[in-house]
Amino acid sequence: DTAVSQTPKYLVTQMGNDKSIKCEQNLGHDTMYWYKQDSKKFLKIMFSYNNKELIINETVPNRFSPKSPDKAHLNLHINSLELGDSAVYFCASSQVPIQGYGYTFGSGTRLTVV
Amino acid sequence: GQQLNQSPQSMFIQEGEDVSMNCTSSSIFNTWLWYKQDPGEGPVLLIALYKAGELTSNGRLTAQFGITRKDSFLNISASIPSDVGIYFCAGLEGAQKLVFGQGTRLTINP
Repeated sequence: DTAVSQTPKYLVTQMGNDKSIKCEQNLGHDTMYWYKQDSKKFLKIMFSYNNKELIINETVPNRFSPKSPDKAHLNLHINSLELGDSAVYFCASSQVPIQGYGYTFGSGTRLTVV
Repeated sequence: GQQLNQSPQSMFIQEGEDVSMNCTSSSIFNTWLWYKQDPGEGPVLLIALYKAGELTSNGRLTAQFGITRKDSFLNISASIPSDVGIYFCAGLEGAQKLVFGQGTRLTINP
């Protein structure tokens, strides 16, 4: 199936731990993104990569480090996890310019920090 | 960055009713999109609008791109139970950054 797939679906971890979320797309898109959805369902962009190059880096703590080994993959590593990092993280991909096609989103990773 | 104001925040309707929600911005967008999110899933694109004044339909869904390019609305006619979910408007900032509204949570009573 053509899609954006991210793993794991659920991640429960203790404060202070380091964790990674992986994302892969087989749509042939050249741009990938990470979005964070908070408890009020607000979606906010964190990063975007175009052909492995960082394009958008919003005001995100340095503990969050995206890595794109190739244009089909964009992983998110989080160091020293804090309670406030609990959220649903969505990976997405698109062609650029987006025009009328928008993003294709993955199904999300629910991160719970305890 | 730009912000979108989406309203209403939630709606409770009877099955079969029509639904209308809208999105406004203080700044101009050249592309507006509407997404739906089901529980446990990522948002899925419903309708894309990229021309001011454009009215586009997708089945029972109709969306319009406002003439001023600062607003958009989404209508759903004859709602059915599978319409339940959270609807998001999004505006395209620059070439690739989507800015999302706060979402409208739709609940349908059978």
